[in-house]
Amino acid sequence: DAGITQSPRYKITETGRQVTLMCHQTWSHSYMFWYRQDLGHGLRLIYYSAAADITDKGEVPDGYVVSRSKTENFPLTLESATRSQTSVYFCASRAGGSNEQFFGPGTRLTVL
Amino acid sequence: QKEVEQNSGPLSVPEGAIASLNCTYSDRGSQSFFWYRQYSGKSPELIMSIYSNGDKEDGRFTAQLNKASQYVSLLIRDSQPSDSATYLCAVTGLPSGGSYIPTFGRGTSLIVHP
Repeated sequence: DAGITQSPRYKITETGRQVTLMCHQTWSHSYMFWYRQDLGHGLRLIYYSAAADITDKGEVPDGYVVSRSKTENFPLTLESATRSQTSVYFCASRAGGSNEQFFGPGTRLTVL
Repeated sequence: QKEVEQNSGPLSVPEGAIASLNCTYSDRGSQSFFWYRQYSGKSPELIMSIYSNGDKEDGRFTAQLNKASQYVSLLIRDSQPSDSATYLCAVTGLPSGGSYIPTFGRGTSLIVHP
C-alpha cells in the first residue's frame, strides 16, 4: 500500500514485556518521527530520524528505543513496557526540504 | 522551551457559520505554521500550511499569520457538521541539528451543530 502504515493497529501487553511498533512508508521520505498522544498532553515527540542510521531523541525518549536500518522502516521498541506507556502512538514522515509531515493511522497500545 | 498554545474548547458553532481557531507561539524565530485536523480516533491530517504574514485561502479554509503578534489562526467558512474535529496547530522554528522539528499545540475541539 502506498503512504505510511503502522502495525499493529491495536496491542495489549503486560508490564515488563518488550513490544515493537512498526512503521513503514513508501514515499522514500528522509525524515521519520514517532509521537505519542495522550489526553491533556497532545502530541509529544519520542524520537525522530533524519535518514537511515541517523536517529535523535525527542521530548520523551525514556523507555523507548528506535532503529532505522532502511529508509522506509522506523520501528519503535518499548524494552520493558510500563503502564505509563499506554497511549496512542503515531508515526509520521516528511520529505527532506519540506516541513509538511504526514501521519500514519496510529497504534493504540495498552499496557496492563 | 518552545510553546504553542491553543484554547482546548470545545468551540461550538452553528452550521453555516464561520469558525475561528486561534494559536499563539512563543518562539519568535518560528518560520513555518501548519494546521492539522484530527477526527476522533484518527490520525492528524494536514489541511493548511502558511509561511509568510497575511492570509492564505484554500476552499473554505483561510489561514492567517501575524508574526509580529506571534499568532496564527484558521477560519472555516460555511462550517459543516463534518468539520467537527480537533484542530492542531504546529509550528516549526529554526532547524535543530539540521532538522526542522515541529512543536504541536494540544488542539482545539470544534463542534459544528446542525
